[in-house]
Amino acid sequence: SYELTQPLSVSVALGQTARITCGRSNIEDKNVHWYQQRPGQAPVLVMYRDNNRPSGIPERFSGSNSGNTATLTISRVQAGDEADYYCQVWDSSTAVFGGGTQLTVL
Amino acid sequence: EVQLVESGGGLVQPGGSLRLSCAGSGFIFSNYWMHWVRQAPGKGLVWVSRIDSDGRNTNYADSVKGRFTISRDNAKNTLYLEMNSLRVEDTAIYYCAKVPIPGSGMDVWGQGTTVTVSS
Repeated sequence: SYELTQPLSVSVALGQTARITCGRSNIEDKNVHWYQQRPGQAPVLVMYRDNNRPSGIPERFSGSNSGNTATLTISRVQAGDEADYYCQVWDSSTAVFGGGTQLTVL
Repeated sequence: EVQLVESGGGLVQPGGSLRLSCAGSGFIFSNYWMHWVRQAPGKGLVWVSRIDSDGRNTNYADSVKGRFTISRDNAKNTLYLEMNSLRVEDTAIYYCAKVPIPGSGMDVWGQGTTVTVSS
């Protein structure tokens, strides 16, 4: 089965840059989407097709996808960015999610 | 405002059945593929099922195949998930979500409805 690997947790100091990775062999061949989920809330799409921000998502959020790793980068991290982040790809018509990364802002 | 609102969750015994609904508003419901995604307590997101815009084609995760049925009524702007032979491991928050174009990200999610399978 298709699997995506994310680190369980990432910690970053307030105002610094956070990078959350999503790994799979040749993931660059897929379009990767990213979701933010704050505690007790539904997921929110923060990046689609590798590096496209939906309307309303700050420019501090960016994405890349190369080789075996896709990365969601959050610049100038704020306290409100603390959340779980999930990557997702399509495998045929089924969605595959990564296990999720908990972002902690120090 | 584009919105999805789920309903129908609750407590059910193992082996029981439940039907979830997801009402869409603020967009042309019949134009979009729709999905169900679930999240067990303290766990990550897991895709459950999808249906294309006219309801002719569906897909399921292996864990629910043969037990769950996805359907839609475009006249009522509503998506459904019929769940039979429920198991304890089906306990989760169930979200519906829409995809703007096939292959893109899920751009609108409902608030979720909680299903608890327990004796």
